[in-house]
Amino acid sequence: RKEVEQDPGPFNVPEGATVAFNCTYSNSASQSFFWYRQDCRKEPKLLMSVYSSGNEDGRFTAQLNRASQYISLLIRDSKLSDSATYLCVALWDGYNKLIFGAGTRLAVHP
Amino acid sequence: NAGVTQTPKFRVLKTGQSMTLLCAQDMNHEYMYWYRQDPGMGLRLIHYSVGEGTTAKGEVPDGYNVSRLKKQNFLLGLESAAPSQTSVYFCASTRLESGDTQYFGPGTRLTVL
Repeated sequence: RKEVEQDPGPFNVPEGATVAFNCTYSNSASQSFFWYRQDCRKEPKLLMSVYSSGNEDGRFTAQLNRASQYISLLIRDSKLSDSATYLCVALWDGYNKLIFGAGTRLAVHP
Repeated sequence: NAGVTQTPKFRVLKTGQSMTLLCAQDMNHEYMYWYRQDPGMGLRLIHYSVGEGTTAKGEVPDGYNVSRLKKQNFLLGLESAAPSQTSVYFCASTRLESGDTQYFGPGTRLTVL
């Protein structure tokens, strides 16, 4: 079983749609979680951290459910520029080692 | 401030050849990491370093060696390349604070024939 699992997609949505990605993790000791964005053939970049209380950054909302070991990312009012792969990431230990999910691909079309 | 840089950007090797990938960061970060990314598998940690002169194994270390002689540089070596090492290699760095953002280099695309 992978330590961080994501639906690979692709999710094909029209502009303006709301789309949600889900992720599960197996290590209950993981303390911190993140969503990274990766554009085609580029390096991953931090999109947002995920907190138990939930957090929002503009059109993006991230949620963490520790009891279910489940993380989500909601994107509202999708833009063409949101097309990318979204990586669910768990912090592994004190050396800031990260465990990456395989990513969920999003394609937003006109 | 260049952030994290990697050289080379592309490389084609024949089986059995050796090469070194260089990662450099100018952010005075303590921790540095080497990952590989293969289709459908996400990024996997090869080796990492928590400071100058120290290195440790990650999830997939076999076939690779690393060195961190200077704080700003982290080298990844392939002594005898194999086709299974065809991948995209990313270097990353971060500060000491737990959970701090990892900053990635642009990647090196390596093909082993």
